[in-house]
Formats: sequence, C-alpha cells, structure tokens
Amino acid sequence: GAVVSQHPSRVICKSGTSVKIECRSLDFQATTMFWYRQFPKQSLMLMATSNEGSKATYEQGVEKDKFLINHASLTLSTLTVTSAHPEDSSFYICSASRQGHDGYTFGSGTRLTVV
Amino acid sequence: EDQVTQSPEALRLQEGESSSLNCSYTVSGLRGLFWYRQDPGKGPEFLFTLYSAGEEKEKERLKATLTKKESFLHITAPKPEDSATYLCAVQAAGGYNKLIFGAGTRLAVHP
Repeated sequence: GAVVSQHPSRVICKSGTSVKIECRSLDFQATTMFWYRQFPKQSLMLMATSNEGSKATYEQGVEKDKFLINHASLTLSTLTVTSAHPEDSSFYICSASRQGHDGYTFGSGTRLTVV
Repeated sequence: EDQVTQSPEALRLQEGESSSLNCSYTVSGLRGLFWYRQDPGKGPEFLFTLYSAGEEKEKERLKATLTKKESFLHITAPKPEDSATYLCAVQAAGGYNKLIFGAGTRLAVHP
C-alpha cells in the first residue's frame, strides 16, 4: 500500500533555531500534501496544504513566515519551523492523497520539543 | 462552519464488550467521511471512507455506518489490541481536498 515516510521522528532544538521536517511519498507521486499539528489529547489541526511547484495554502491563523513549506518535487514536501519557541513544541504530521486510492495516507509524525 | 464532533471523549470496555463510537458532522456538502485509528506517538492509520447516507463498511471487528448527520463506528467483541484513539474526519465539497477532524474517542479495552 501507499507509504508516506516522515523524518525525523523526534527532534529537540534550542529556542531561536530552525528545524526542518521531511515528508516523502515512497511509492507514489503526491501532487498535494497536507501538514497538521496535534497537541496532546487534541485532534489534528490542518496547518497548510502543499502543492507541488506552487506556493502552499495556509489555514487562518498559521504564520506562513514561521512555518515554511516547500514542495519541490512530486515525492517530497518539507516543513521548516523557523525561530522556534517552546510554544511550537507539538506533534507534526504530514499526509498525502493518492489518485485512485481510498483515504489519505499519513506519515508517522514528528515530535518537536523546543527548549 | 464545517464541524465534526465525536463522542464519547473516552471509552473503557471489557474485552468482548461491544459498543459504538459516534461522529456528528455539519458540513456544506459532504464529499466523504473518514475513520482513522491513531496509536500513541504515531500518525493516523486509515480505516474507512464513507460517501453517502446508508453506506456501510466492515473490517474485522469494525463496522462503519453513515447517515446524513452522523456516522457510527461499531466495535464488535473488542480485544485489547483495539485500544487506540479513533478519529473521524470529513471532506467538504469545495474544500480543496482538506480534511476536518473531530477530537477523537480514546478507546481502552481491558482483558
């Protein structure tokens, strides 16, 4: 079945630094990928929709200059958290849809801790 | 505004004790309703997609049903390995393929 690989699974960074999270579709081409954030015991909140070769579409309230999204190829989207602060600590998850397949496939998530 | 509400927030069952999880939704034109299972510290795992009222889908001990206002995830004779958070999400017509998630139901099945 469709596999989405997300890396790293865990990262700890110092306040003020930037962190990049990668999301790869391993066995299919994903023209659209989605980035979510999940706080403990809460649901997934969509941050942005990433389209290959074009600018990402951000949800209301999400700072596009802080959460940089790049979708340079049909198999790779990246989320960079710039100038990270402790309140950015969260679980970040990507997902992708595959034409002709039911549902959306999610990555395994990245636990970001900013100290 | 498109909205998804799941109940209960948490559910504790004994092994073999069947039950149902509820997902109520308000959406401007439903394209699809999705059920996912999420284990702690992992991404959601796809279970079902339902597209129209009256539709039902089954997988092992799970059965999902859909009406015009809500969906149920029925769990028959659950086992401890069914313990997880179950998430419901909707995709609205004109929503550019994005999913709107409910807060989930945390299910614990005890032997």
